[in-house]
Amino acid sequence: QQQVKQSPQSLIVQKGGISIINCAYENTAFDYFPWYQQFPGKGPALLIAIRPDVSEKKEGRFTISFNKSAKQFSLHIMDSQPGDSATYFCAASMGGYQKVTFGTGTKLQVIP
Amino acid sequence: KAGVTQTPRYLIKTRGQQVTLSCSPISGHRSVSWYQQTPGQGLQFLFEYFSETQRNKGNFPGRFSGRQFSNSRSEMNVSTLELGDSALYLCASSSMPQAGEQYFGPGTRLTVT
Repeated sequence: QQQVKQSPQSLIVQKGGISIINCAYENTAFDYFPWYQQFPGKGPALLIAIRPDVSEKKEGRFTISFNKSAKQFSLHIMDSQPGDSATYFCAASMGGYQKVTFGTGTKLQVIP
Repeated sequence: KAGVTQTPRYLIKTRGQQVTLSCSPISGHRSVSWYQQTPGQGLQFLFEYFSETQRNKGNFPGRFSGRQFSNSRSEMNVSTLELGDSALYLCASSSMPQAGEQYFGPGTRLTVT
């Protein structure tokens, strides 16, 4: 029940295309859903996050879509650039704790 | 504002030894969490500290322990190291005790031989 399932495991997108990464969760007590971006040799960096009271959040080229009834959320990267090539993790946490449950990661490669 | 700092960045230890890793959170942040990252298991939560108190613990054996000091700096200790403890250990800090933004450090790469 604590798992967050993420797909795909890897993704190759043409420059300028849309990258889409999907996640699903079981525990309805989760109330905070962040996405992290990690480059090799670096720690994860918070990209964008959403709470279940909204269905979509957009920050620049990054959009989270959230479907509470389906217990699914996704990250869309518009106009993908080679600099976006990194591993992306979805995550979820709940209530009064900073314990974050991470998805398994998606390695994104944006090719010119 | 300086980010989360972790020391050392790289460490090589022998099986059976113990190790202590250090984390300095962003100034003003009182919550510190630790995670283990491995290719096989991904990112796994170890424990979280807030105001010097451990608030939550992941599913790791008792060989993994931690503490937080009054200045919010945190240390984690792994005793009786095993080969499987080789991993990137990440520290994250947050300004709030409830679920919210966490900022990660660059990690400590531990290799156990």
